[in-house]
Amino acid sequence: DSGVTQTPKHLITATGQRVTLRCSPRSGDLSVYWYQQSLDQGLQFLIQYYNGEERAKGNILERFSAQQFPDLHSELNLSSLELGDSALYFCASSVTGLAGRSYNEQFFGPGTRLTVL
Amino acid sequence: QKEVEQDPGPLSVPEGAIVSLNCTYSNSAFQYFMWYRQYSRKGPELLMYTYSSGNKEDGRFTAQVDKSSKYISLFIRDSQPSDSATYLCALGTGTYKYIFGTGTRLKVLA
Repeated sequence: DSGVTQTPKHLITATGQRVTLRCSPRSGDLSVYWYQQSLDQGLQFLIQYYNGEERAKGNILERFSAQQFPDLHSELNLSSLELGDSALYFCASSVTGLAGRSYNEQFFGPGTRLTVL
Repeated sequence: QKEVEQDPGPLSVPEGAIVSLNCTYSNSAFQYFMWYRQYSRKGPELLMYTYSSGNKEDGRFTAQVDKSSKYISLFIRDSQPSDSATYLCALGTGTYKYIFGTGTRLKVLA
């Protein structure tokens, strides 16, 4: 158990709908990362937050947005859902999120499996 | 061309075999090299981390980085059925945006 929790475990919804995925980082971790994992694309970095502020952005669609709250939990909002958005969504956390010449291990949650019908 | 290429497998080996998993990359700015293991229906977990070139050993696992060839490897000695999982390489430049390979599925047969 990594200490990162994600809810819900599974989500089934229809095209055009909006969903919210929730992540609680490990105790003491200030940085949260969101990833999308699909069979053909592998693990794709979406976005990173550090202590409430957006730090880095990856291949995140405009229909997707995220935020990190004062208690450090994070939510990923996916709207106008399409069939191609069906994937596993992972949250990871690390102690810091500052760029620099130091390594910072990311701990992954169990993921949320999203199915869009 | 993808930034990181990884053979998707599946790779099936008998118990006790030495397994070699590999990734190639194109961006010479990568300095941080990691291997994650992902069991079915679970999140990835960090196995090995190396910085710059060279070898690093941890028990049955050895990570190798060859920056001149832009090639990284993970070797598993005395493989066990419990090693059956998907192995993902991840590379970073010094920010915290990692680029992951698509993963290699490994099956160790008892």
